[in-house]
Amino acid sequence: DVKVTQSSRYLVKRTGEKVFLECVQDMDHENMFWYRQDPGLGLRLIYFSYDVKMKEKGDIPEGYSVSREKKERFSLILESASTNQTSMYLCASTGGVYEQYFGPGTRLTVT
Amino acid sequence: GENVEQHPSTLSVQEGDSAVIKCTYSDSASNYFPWYKQELGKGPQLIIDIRSNVGEKKDQRIAVTLNKTAKHFSLHITETQPEDSAVYFCAASIDYGQNFVFGPGTRLSVLP
Repeated sequence: DVKVTQSSRYLVKRTGEKVFLECVQDMDHENMFWYRQDPGLGLRLIYFSYDVKMKEKGDIPEGYSVSREKKERFSLILESASTNQTSMYLCASTGGVYEQYFGPGTRLTVT
Repeated sequence: GENVEQHPSTLSVQEGDSAVIKCTYSDSASNYFPWYKQELGKGPQLIIDIRSNVGEKKDQRIAVTLNKTAKHFSLHITETQPEDSAVYFCAASIDYGQNFVFGPGTRLSVLP
């Protein structure tokens, strides 16, 4: 069964902290994605990666960075968390075309 | 770039009735249109999809229709059940699902 897991379901951090969100997929997929989900705005793409050590900016990369050192793992990094980064973060992966498989999400609150 | 609009934002129906959610897209090069269902506390899950060379696709109680000329596609759920209550997202892709633009979502409530 296809599986995308995210390291935390809920996370509370303080303004200015460095935050790591981890995502792991077990499907040997090349492509991995990080989205941010906010009410009324749908899913917005932050960063994606087509291969190990490769990364591409999505629609809203400001304030975020990513790391893909291994094929199965894609990390989202908030260098200095701010309150406007409070959101639900979703990781997804795909084998190339068509369906994206999503993780359960991490609800991040920055206070 | 691609823009996807979705209506309505919320929808309440009685159990057993039908529900229809509509999406419009802006880029005529879009070639793949999935629908995702997101239940509370879970990530979105694909429920049905359609490619640009097809006008309609059915899977049991759910169906999707595509009108390429008008650049809109719709999700139809018949005989709704309480477990259909969720947030539904449409999306459009110009590269067969490598990248998507998602609609803002529709919260469907099926009332018993």
